[in-house]
Amino acid sequence: DIQMTQSPSSLSASVGDRVTITCRASQSISNYLNWYQQKPGKAPKLLIYAASSLQSGVPSRFSGSGSGTDFTLTIGSLHPEDFAIYHCQQSYSTPLTFGGGTKVEIK
Amino acid sequence: QVQLVESGGGLVKPGGSLRLSCAASGFTFSDYYMSWIRQAPGKGLEWVSYITSSGSTMYYADSVKGRFTISRDNAKNSLYLQMNSLRAEDTAVYYCARTKYSSAPQFDYWGQGTLVTVSS
Repeated sequence: DIQMTQSPSSLSASVGDRVTITCRASQSISNYLNWYQQKPGKAPKLLIYAASSLQSGVPSRFSGSGSGTDFTLTIGSLHPEDFAIYHCQQSYSTPLTFGGGTKVEIK
Repeated sequence: QVQLVESGGGLVKPGGSLRLSCAASGFTFSDYYMSWIRQAPGKGLEWVSYITSSGSTMYYADSVKGRFTISRDNAKNSLYLQMNSLRAEDTAVYYCARTKYSSAPQFDYWGQGTLVTVSS
């Protein structure tokens, strides 16, 4: 199974900050990496697919990069509604696996 | 708009069974793969299973293989998860998700989830 490791597990940031979250795969997954945002008590929402493609309707302050084993989700300028948990997920092979999540909290 | 509504969750004893349903609307259900993903209380996300658009092929996580069965009825725009031999570690919110499959699967729309609690 492909293990996905996110870092950090949590971070504190202020509105307007640039935030970067990292996801590392235990083996190469090409660009088969997706990012989701989850708010408390809600279902996850797809933000980025195929490592860098922005899902329709997602603000352009979200961007993704990387290939192989190392990937990054960047929020260009943090908005109040961006405080949430972010999950990465590999779709290279089954079982499909998620990272442990990164909680973005208000500083 | 795309809507996915899960139902069928509840409290069940270890060793028991439960059948989850997911009613889909707002898109052509038979065009899409569909998945179940779960989240134990306070934990991360765990993919459980997905099924191809025709229902001909299913994939499962090792943790549920042999105990859970995914199925779909394209005429009824519905997805199902039959869960047998339930264990305490199956306690979670279960989400159904539309699964876009361009070159690889992505969960592009999710339901609100249904809670399954396995406890004596």
